[in-house]
Amino acid sequence: GAVVSQHPSWVICKSGTSVKIECRSLDFQATTMFWYRQFPKQSLMLMATSNEGSKATYEQGVEKDKFLINHASLTLSTLTVTSAHPEDSSFYICSARDVKGLAINEQFFGPGTRLTVL
Amino acid sequence: AQSVTQLDSQVPVFEEAPVELRCNYSSSVSVYLFWYVQYPNQGLQLLLKYLSGSTLVKGINGFEAEFNKSQTSFHLRKPSVHISDTAEYFCAVRSYNNNDMRFGAGTRLTVKP
Repeated sequence: GAVVSQHPSWVICKSGTSVKIECRSLDFQATTMFWYRQFPKQSLMLMATSNEGSKATYEQGVEKDKFLINHASLTLSTLTVTSAHPEDSSFYICSARDVKGLAINEQFFGPGTRLTVL
Repeated sequence: AQSVTQLDSQVPVFEEAPVELRCNYSSSVSVYLFWYVQYPNQGLQLLLKYLSGSTLVKGINGFEAEFNKSQTSFHLRKPSVHISDTAEYFCAVRSYNNNDMRFGAGTRLTVKP
């Protein structure tokens, strides 16, 4: 099946610094990618949706200037948490869809990135 | 917009017993339905999905789910669980004309020996 990778798998940073998380589709072209945030013992909350080559669409309540999303190619999307604070500590999961192939109705999820801001 | 309600936050069960995890959805349009499993500190793994056709869907690891349109439900079942089935299970819905997927709050399945 289709594989989505994330890097890094975990990161610890100091408050005020910026952190970049990469999401790659390894064996298909992801025309659409999604970024989710998951707090401990809670569900996944959609943060934003990005289509290759265009600006991301953010969910209500998500600061687009704080969570910068770039979907520059069909296999790579990045999420940059700018000026991170302890409340940004969370599990970030990306997901990708290929609307051109057999996976038209399915999203493939990455393994997640654990961000801890000290 | 669509939404998902998972009726049980935690389900404890003994090994080899049957289990049902309940999921109800709300949507004004037709939807696709999914069940995912998440093991600690890992991403989501697709168990099964309903797109169209037969309302009884069989997935991996012996799980199955039945789509009930009149009751707007998509309950997940397994006739005999194993210790290794202990995990968090998420029901999700996506409408035909919408781009994103919405998740339920999750059900923690704990299988005891």
